[in-house]
Amino acid sequence: EAQVTQNPRYLITVTGKKLTVTCSQNMNHEYMSWYRQDPGLGLRQIYYSMNVEVTDKGDVPEGYKVSRKEKRNFPLILESPSPNQTSLYFCASSPGGAGGYEQFFGPGTRLTVL
Amino acid sequence: AQSVSQHNHHVILSEAASLELGCNYSYGGTVNLFWYVQYPGQHLQLLLKYFSGDPLVKGIKGFEAEFIKSKFSFNLRKPSVQWSDTAEYFCAVNARNTGKLIFGQGTTLQVKP
Repeated sequence: EAQVTQNPRYLITVTGKKLTVTCSQNMNHEYMSWYRQDPGLGLRQIYYSMNVEVTDKGDVPEGYKVSRKEKRNFPLILESPSPNQTSLYFCASSPGGAGGYEQFFGPGTRLTVL
Repeated sequence: AQSVSQHNHHVILSEAASLELGCNYSYGGTVNLFWYVQYPGQHLQLLLKYFSGDPLVKGIKGFEAEFIKSKFSFNLRKPSVQWSDTAEYFCAVNARNTGKLIFGQGTTLQVKP
């Protein structure tokens, strides 16, 4: 089944403890992206990758890192999480190299930073 | 900087009523436009998209949207809503040939049976 998977789905952590949220897609898509969803703010793009080894900042990259070493995976790294990073995170992928194609979203990761 | 504004944050309708959700964006260049929907407990999924051509685009489940370039708008419409349309709706804009996708704040639609 074609899908985007994220792990973990739920995570509660403490301030400053490094964490990684994994994202994997099995559709051979060029483009992948991370978003956070907060009430009243919609989805905001954190980072995106138009191809392997190519990443770029979205609108809210502060406090996050990403890497794209292989096509299928695009992990999101929080080196030192803070409470303001408590949010619902979505990974997405699309077949095109830019953002102009339909994006397929993962199920989301709900992160709480205490 | 690009921005997307959805005017209605929470809409309540009765079944069979008509729906129109507003979406305006600010960007001077060429754009690709999208409406996504998030049903309760489900992934975001694409309702419809506009890249070029006919400014009136039709999507899934009877939804349509009209791109009015002069007004920088891409409003979503449905002639007769159903209870199953209860969901959150997001407008999104991509500046063509870039990787950025900007979402609006979202509109929660509640349809009463």
